[in-house]
Amino acid sequence: GENVEQHPSTLSVQEGDSAVIKCTYSDSASNYFPWYKQELGKRPQLIIDIRSNVGEKKDQRIAVTLNKTAKHFSLHITETQPEDSAVYFCAASGYSTLTFGKGTMLLVSP
Amino acid sequence: EPEVTQTPSHQVTQMGQEVILRCVPISNHLYFYWYRQILGQKVEFLVSFYNNEISEKSEIFDDQFSVERPDGSNFTLKIRSTKLEDSAMYFCASSDEGQGSYEQYFGPGTRLTVT
Repeated sequence: GENVEQHPSTLSVQEGDSAVIKCTYSDSASNYFPWYKQELGKRPQLIIDIRSNVGEKKDQRIAVTLNKTAKHFSLHITETQPEDSAVYFCAASGYSTLTFGKGTMLLVSP
Repeated sequence: EPEVTQTPSHQVTQMGQEVILRCVPISNHLYFYWYRQILGQKVEFLVSFYNNEISEKSEIFDDQFSVERPDGSNFTLKIRSTKLEDSAMYFCASSDEGQGSYEQYFGPGTRLTVT
């Protein structure tokens, strides 16, 4: 089955800096890669996703890149703000359901 | 904006007891899922459900688990005889398109504590 590795497990940045979270996946059949943000005690919420026919997608301060050859995808957050502090999960999906990475705790200091 | 809802928000039960966790998916969605998240760990897939039957399940979803769509709106997860290691947050999710390949909307979760 699919295996998703996510790094780093924690990431501390100063407000205004950029943050990058990286994931790799194992199943070349995977074709959908969402990113979820989870605040403490809350539900995972989709913040951005990318499909395998696209190499990059951007939504305001958030961007995701996908390298299908290398089987890795990354989340980029620019101009970080304290409210970006949360756990971020990447996931991969093909015909079957979402396989999540272990999460990255992002801490943005004012 | 429509949301997935779940009840109860917190369930405490004794080991060996049966629990039923309830979910109301978004009304026009056709695909339903259960996930669990042990405290501090990643979200893990349990089961997917489409057209009134299980379409896929993980190795976590053993004979102690079952799912049902008893009416047109509810989607339930039953654990027949709970174990301590079943303590986790259980999330229901739903989507309106192809299994796994389109956005899944998560409910707020039910925290299950087995004592």
